Amino acid sequence: GAGVSQSPSNKVTEKGKDVELRCDPISGHTALYWYRQSLGQGLEFLIYFQGNSAPDKSGLPSDRFSAERTGGSVSTLTIQRTQQEDSAVYLCASSQEGGLFRGADGYTFGSGTRLTVV
Amino acid sequence: DQQVKQNSPSLSVQEGRISILNCDYTNSMFDYFLWYKKYPAEGPTFLISISSIKDKNEDGRFTVFLNKSAKHLSLHIVPSQPGDSAVYFCAASRNDMRFGAGTRLTVKP
Repeated sequence: GAGVSQSPSNKVTEKGKDVELRCDPISGHTALYWYRQSLGQGLEFLIYFQGNSAPDKSGLPSDRFSAERTGGSVSTLTIQRTQQEDSAVYLCASSQEGGLFRGADGYTFGSGTRLTVV
Repeated sequence: DQQVKQNSPSLSVQEGRISILNCDYTNSMFDYFLWYKKYPAEGPTFLISISSIKDKNEDGRFTVFLNKSAKHLSLHIVPSQPGDSAVYFCAASRNDMRFGAGTRLTVKP
């Protein structure tokens, strides 16, 4: 596609429920990143996928968070047993080249999913 | 820990004047710095970057200045235009990347 597509754009869920957030990267981009922005905070790195390599999960805040990337394209971020502190905007980005944070000017971000846990 | 700080949550300037957005960092190992711009309901878009071997990078109306000794970078927009109204994030990287909390710039006509 022409850009990075994220769905849903907004999600309201009850505390304790599981949620899945989807990211469709730009076709041909080998690297995919998940970030989140909590109220008043900067963008917090969550996880990074590069090609067929094992993902870098060092930013995931707890074992309730997981992500997968099927076929080197679409990625799903899953949050189990959601808590109120999980409320944030979750942003996905993709880039043509790998390298965890190199070539950052080549990132294209999606519009994000605003998650609200009530 | 906030390794990248944008201490001004908001800034308002008149059209045609200069906008100066500031960013401070604490980790001297950062060697690449970036500014992103974000409109409501959109993802951040890359604006301008600077390597630590430089102290200035200019792209049209946008100039980024880096003061390594002070661990400070700034983004200058001259002249400011109403379409520049957005949230601006600075970011710093070496082996990982850290973002500031953002500064909301409003340019008044």
